[in-house]
Amino acid sequence: SQTIHQWPATLVQPVGSPLSLECTVEGTSNPNLYWYRQAAGRGLQLLFYSVGIGQISSEVPQNLSASRPQDRQFILSSKKLLLSDSGFYLCAWKGETNTGELFFGEGSRLTVL
Amino acid sequence: RKEVEQDPGPFNVPEGATVAFNCTYSNSASQSFFWYRQDCRKEPKLLMSVYSSGNEDGRFTAQLNRASQYISLLIRDSKLSDSATYLCVVMGRGSTLGRLYFGRGTQLTVWP
Repeated sequence: SQTIHQWPATLVQPVGSPLSLECTVEGTSNPNLYWYRQAAGRGLQLLFYSVGIGQISSEVPQNLSASRPQDRQFILSSKKLLLSDSGFYLCAWKGETNTGELFFGEGSRLTVL
Repeated sequence: RKEVEQDPGPFNVPEGATVAFNCTYSNSASQSFFWYRQDCRKEPKLLMSVYSSGNEDGRFTAQLNRASQYISLLIRDSKLSDSATYLCVVMGRGSTLGRLYFGRGTQLTVWP
């Protein structure tokens, strides 16, 4: 069966520090992968999506970036964090069938101080 | 205008109550509709899809009104375990990725 994992689960970072969140998917090949952010009191905001290795599309201009070095690996990064980057980051995948169901990782809760 | 708008809540109901959530979407060309459930500090998970004819899954009933661009979720005989945030989700049309738009969510608390 397919599983998705992301880490770290929780992190507290100072403003201006770098960030790296990692997500891996098992049990499926060539998945569509997504990074979402959920800020306090807000809905899920799509940040990046990827349809394949090295293919990244950005939804919202910001100081974050994403990379997909392997088929089942999706990384979210920042060189310098801002206070506004605090939030709950969720990685998700969707298989080839267009059922609309997204499978989310456990999430990474980031607090920027 | 936001793609998906939901009742802000929160809803606080006793066990056994019936509660209904509403949601509207702005894009009349949207093709698929869903309700997700999100427990506190957890990831969202699919609760049920919403079909044009309406559909039921146990105590949960989902309805779609395309003319009014309106989606609803009805929960009968509420349980304590139903306490969560319910997200209305709409899939956009014309995207090979099946772009999903999430509402902010409606918080439900069921008390004993």
